[in-house]
Amino acid sequence: DIQMTQSPSSLSASVGDRVTITCQASQDISNYLNWYQQKPGKAPKLLIYDASNLETGVPSRFSGSGSGTDFTFTISSLQPEDIATYYCQQYDNPVTFGPGTKVDIK
Amino acid sequence: QVQLQESGPGLVKPSGTLSLTCAVSGGSISSSNWWSWIRQPPGKGLEWIGEIYHSGSTNYNPSLKSRVTISVDKSKNQFSLKLSSVTAADTAVYYCARRLVWLDVPYYFDYWGQGTLVTVSS
Repeated sequence: DIQMTQSPSSLSASVGDRVTITCQASQDISNYLNWYQQKPGKAPKLLIYDASNLETGVPSRFSGSGSGTDFTFTISSLQPEDIATYYCQQYDNPVTFGPGTKVDIK
Repeated sequence: QVQLQESGPGLVKPSGTLSLTCAVSGGSISSSNWWSWIRQPPGKGLEWIGEIYHSGSTNYNPSLKSRVTISVDKSKNQFSLKLSSVTAADTAVYYCARRLVWLDVPYYFDYWGQGTLVTVSS
């Protein structure tokens, strides 16, 4: 199985700050990496697919990059509605998710 | 707009079998996509359980494979999960989700149900 790690596990930032989350795969997954946002009590929502493609309707302040084993997710200007936990997920079966990064407002 | 809705008992006794159904609306379960179950223990991360194609082909998480059965009912446009020999560690919110297929490659989970909490307790 491919193991996914994320860092940090949590962060606090101010509104307008740039926020960066990293995700690392235990082996080369090319660009087969997605990012989801989960708000409390809700199902995850797809934000980024294929490492860097923005899902339709997702604000452009969200972006992703990377390939191989190392990936980055960025919120260019943190907004109050971005308070959530963010997960990376790789495609190869068995599908695996990162442990999540909880983002809140300082 | 595809919608998914989980249903089933919210309480299951230890050593029993957890059974859930996911009803799909706004789209056909016979479309070229995979249909998945994912769970999330309270306060923890996401775990993929397995998936099914409309043909009946399945993929399971090896960590749960011996206890999991996923089936599809095309006539009702729904798919189901059975998890046997449950313990308290199986207490979680269970989500059903569609996994988009593009050029024969299963990609991301684009539609999710709202999730249903299943508690394993006597």
